[in-house]
Amino acid sequence: AQSVAQPEDQVNVAEGNPLTVKCTYSVSGNPYLFWYVQYPNRGLQFLLKYITGDNLVKGSYGFEAEFNKSQTSFHLKKPSALVSDSALYFCAVRDGGNDMRFGAGTRLTVKP
Amino acid sequence: DAGVIQSPRHEVTEMGQEVTLRCKPISGHNSLFWYRQTMMRGLELLIYFNNNVPIDDSGMPEDRFSAKMPNASFSTLKIQPSEPRDSAVYFCAVQRTGSNTGELFFGEGSRLTVL
Repeated sequence: AQSVAQPEDQVNVAEGNPLTVKCTYSVSGNPYLFWYVQYPNRGLQFLLKYITGDNLVKGSYGFEAEFNKSQTSFHLKKPSALVSDSALYFCAVRDGGNDMRFGAGTRLTVKP
Repeated sequence: DAGVIQSPRHEVTEMGQEVTLRCKPISGHNSLFWYRQTMMRGLELLIYFNNNVPIDDSGMPEDRFSAKMPNASFSTLKIQPSEPRDSAVYFCAVQRTGSNTGELFFGEGSRLTVL
């Protein structure tokens, strides 16, 4: 069965600095990878996805993610963090089947 | 996401009571998912439906939990009897028709507290 791991419970960065939120995956077939963001008391919001093609995927709010097959990773990045980016971030994977599995989440805090 | 309406947003009940959570997705979706979110266990997939048919309910904790999808625009998740350990936020999510590689659209969730 497919799974993802988010090795960091918490990531702290200063506003204006680049940020990275890490994710590694495990699937038996081709991976379909996703990032979501969750603000307090809200549902998950889709940020970006990798299905096939270019390994660098661009998404909403200036976020991007790099698919690395050899390292089985799909790290989320942003060149310049904003305080408003502070939220809970989830990596997720599908392997062509219908169910989507989520990581444990990483809490991003951006300090002014 | 405006495409998935969940109710109630908050529910407080006593142990032993029946709880029914509701989900109304807008049209254009063919798969519906129920997730549970807790601090301890994160996001857990409970059950999902394709074209209103339950496909995988292996994530349903036990027989106290049941889910139905009588039509494409309505689903329920029922807990009977409820227990304090069922306290969590329950999310409904949908996927666009014809795309099993696509993203899911989540509702705002139903926060359940069982006393």
